[in-house]
Amino acid sequence: SYELTQPSSVSVSPGQTARITCSGDILGIKSVRWLQQKPGQAPILVIYKDRQRPSGIPERFSGSSSGTTVTLTISGARLEDEADYYCYSAADNNLVFGTGTKVTVL
Amino acid sequence: QVQLVESGGGVVQPGRSLRLSCAASGFTFSSYGMHWVRQAPGKGLEWVAVISSDENKKHYGDSVKGRFTISRDNSKNTLYLQMNSLRVEDTAVYYCASYLVDWVSFDYWGQGTLVTVSS
Repeated sequence: SYELTQPSSVSVSPGQTARITCSGDILGIKSVRWLQQKPGQAPILVIYKDRQRPSGIPERFSGSSSGTTVTLTISGARLEDEADYYCYSAADNNLVFGTGTKVTVL
Repeated sequence: QVQLVESGGGVVQPGRSLRLSCAASGFTFSSYGMHWVRQAPGKGLEWVAVISSDENKKHYGDSVKGRFTISRDNSKNTLYLQMNSLRVEDTAVYYCASYLVDWVSFDYWGQGTLVTVSS
């Protein structure tokens, strides 16, 4: 099996930029998706294929990759962006989530 | 509108079995593959299993392989998860989620059902 590692928490002031990293050996060959989960709610997709944004997701959400690390960036963070964020990927018929990052906007 | 409604959760003793259901409506269920994903209290997401739209392909996460079985009944628009030999560490909210094209996708999610494994 393989692992995807994220920082446990990231804090950002409103209007500033938050960056959440996701690291793992498979990320050099497999793309990543990012989910946002707010308390008591099911997750929603915010980024797919490392950097693509689904329709309806604000432009302040962006993704990038470098080697075996991918990054979710929230530019101009808003209070409503406070949530848990999970990266995930798949290989060998196995889907793996990252460890999750709690983003606090204050 | 699209709805996925999980049911069947509850409190069960270690070693016992439980079957979860996920009732789908508002979309063509037989065209979608389906996942089960779980989340232990206060913890992160963990992928459990996936089944293709025609039930021909099934894959499982390492922690449930050999104990859990995913299945579906397209005539009833329902997904199932048979959970055997339950362990305390299986305690979690269990979500079902659908995908249309790419199995590494979650197009729609249910709201989850809580399974508590405790003596």
